Amino acid sequence: QSVLTQPPSVSGAPGQRVTISCTGSSSNIGAGYDVHWYQQLPGTAPKLLIYGNSNRPSGVPDRFSGSKSGTSASLAITGLQAEDEADYYCQSYDSSLSVPVVFGGGTKLTVL
Amino acid sequence: EVQLVESGGGLIQPGGSLRLSCAASGFTVSSNYMSWVRQAPGKGLEWVSVIYSGGSTYYADSVKGRFTISRDNSKNTLYLQMNSLRAEDTAVYYCARDQGFHYGMDVWGQGTTVTVSS
Repeated sequence: QSVLTQPPSVSGAPGQRVTISCTGSSSNIGAGYDVHWYQQLPGTAPKLLIYGNSNRPSGVPDRFSGSKSGTSASLAITGLQAEDEADYYCQSYDSSLSVPVVFGGGTKLTVL
Repeated sequence: EVQLVESGGGLIQPGGSLRLSCAASGFTVSSNYMSWVRQAPGKGLEWVSVIYSGGSTYYADSVKGRFTISRDNSKNTLYLQMNSLRAEDTAVYYCARDQGFHYGMDVWGQGTTVTVSS
């Protein structure tokens, strides 16, 4: 059971828009901690996709965007492409646990 | 080029020990937060440990007392000493440069596989 809750799977057709939610609590996202998003393509290491809730590292297409509100965060992908098929993870921090870093359980994005 | 390369994984019997290494290039390990993250077969990412630039260390409850994170500044290398290994420690282990609360883990290694089995 992950501290941050993500839907196990989402899907969309090429060109469509999909969103992935990441729900936390008052001790992590709701406490003001930033949320980061990672993309993991099949058989590869995770890659930082969004940092600080809504910022894209250099090289990440602007089709990817992030937002945060209250105890939740969201990743949106517009203009869906076949190469976006991957696992997506949110990550934040928690003040109530003895561990400082928490991940969501991950969401598998399928491009139909 | 900024890069992390892990090594040291392998097949080990339950109760055994293993030391993972993560060699960095293009930046200084000791000046950064460095984390270990693992991924069990078919499962999601699980944070394991972090060492801050000041030397403070933290561990996931699942490995506390068994794993030790450290670094060798002269070799610019991060380590994870894993003792009393269990079947549930079987995973791909990634090291990552952790830029902290506002910037996330921006550089990841390719991962090294640890299999705990008799």
